[in-house]
Amino acid sequence: EVQLVESGGGLVQPGRSLRLSCAASGFTFGGYAMHWVRQAPGKGLEWVSGISWNTGSTGYADSVKGRFTISRDNAKNSLYLQMNSLRAEDTALYYCAKTTRQNYFDYWGQGTLVTVSS
Amino acid sequence: NFLLTQPHSVSESPGKTVTISCTRSSGSFAYTYVQWYQQRPGSSPTTVIYENNLRPSGVPDRFSGSIDSSSNSASLTISGLKTEDEADYYCQSYDSSNRWVFGGGTKLTVL
Repeated sequence: EVQLVESGGGLVQPGRSLRLSCAASGFTFGGYAMHWVRQAPGKGLEWVSGISWNTGSTGYADSVKGRFTISRDNAKNSLYLQMNSLRAEDTALYYCAKTTRQNYFDYWGQGTLVTVSS
Repeated sequence: NFLLTQPHSVSESPGKTVTISCTRSSGSFAYTYVQWYQQRPGSSPTTVIYENNLRPSGVPDRFSGSIDSSSNSASLTISGLKTEDEADYYCQSYDSSNRWVFGGGTKLTVL
């Protein structure tokens, strides 16, 4: 059974940093691209960042470029999101999502909540 | 970059058919696929349509997708509506830099 379990969320002050993790199991993690998608309270989905299976390619939404860094450790079956210079507008539920070879999301985690507030 | 615009909400009765639109502000759907995701309250999203009109295993054939090149829009059609279809629906595509773009979402009410 495929499982994606996010962790690392919490309450953080503006300007501070936070690192999210996503532990994957039930599939060959190193064979698939992975992404972070967020959802602000009561709002829609927003793609944050993605990384190819071999870390050779990464992409970021304009809203987080230069502040967030996506990475993965295929040996540990883990995906990460380093978030620096956090802003109030980064407050959201952050989902880890796996893509298929046809490049759509087939599995999502339950999300980890990040709240940026003083 | 481009925007994907969806109606904020739609409603229809059980057993009827509803169509949700997704209009691309610039560029064309001719070169990038569209996916549709369903998100029930309190749950993570799931895919109901990928590559414009394909259904993942387990998604009933009541769900269908299409592209209208003349209006640069995509549509999700749900026939034989059931109360369990009540959810938020999001379209998604990619820009020229392979960044993923979501529509704003449409709240479907089945009443």
